[in-house]
Amino acid sequence: NAGVTQTPKFRILKIGQSMTLQCAQDMNHNYMYWYRQDPGMGLKLIYYSVGAGITDKGEVPNGYNVSRSTTEDFPLRLELAAPSQTSVYFCASSYPGASSYEQYFGPGTRLTVT
Amino acid sequence: DQQVKQNSPSLSVQEGRISILNCDYTNSMFDYFLWYKKYPAEGPTFLISISSIKDKNEDGRFTVFLNKSAKHLSLHIVPSQPGDSAVYFCAASAPGAQKLVFGQGTRLTINP
Repeated sequence: NAGVTQTPKFRILKIGQSMTLQCAQDMNHNYMYWYRQDPGMGLKLIYYSVGAGITDKGEVPNGYNVSRSTTEDFPLRLELAAPSQTSVYFCASSYPGASSYEQYFGPGTRLTVT
Repeated sequence: DQQVKQNSPSLSVQEGRISILNCDYTNSMFDYFLWYKKYPAEGPTFLISISSIKDKNEDGRFTVFLNKSAKHLSLHIVPSQPGDSAVYFCAASAPGAQKLVFGQGTRLTINP
């Protein structure tokens, strides 16, 4: 199993550009999450999904959009990139009923907006 | 409103000694607590967890203690090894939420 994979690893965007961060998992997990981590800060939840076709906002959803058409994939869309979106983005997944609420994380995408 | 707080941004410990990382929370509804470890340029990985019905959980060199009345948990690493140098995140979840709330992280450095 590859686990949770994310592409690209690094990206530089100009202000106002758009891009999609890709996330895929091969563990048949229903639940998927997008976080951002700013320097010296913890992980902030952007959006999450409890299954294909179902998404919900997290703590910091503004400026982002998501879709979940399959169990495996959960892309994050940035429209009109702003410098405040410079961050490291992590995708994670988990399965419902996990007694430990454990989430499995991808390696991250480092995004710079200039 | 920071529901999970790790007040020490960094901690330096000598190899072989005990490392103690602390975490405080404000939401009394949290019923599960987890510790994650993160190396540079990698995603966080799960380390150990504890349910609110317990006050201690042990896994090898790692022990998590929970004090519900103080809304405080701690992670003990004994003995500390150089490979333990990483950022440690505390996280918490409320019943049925299937979401985690993370602390800011503590950077642990183990010195030889």
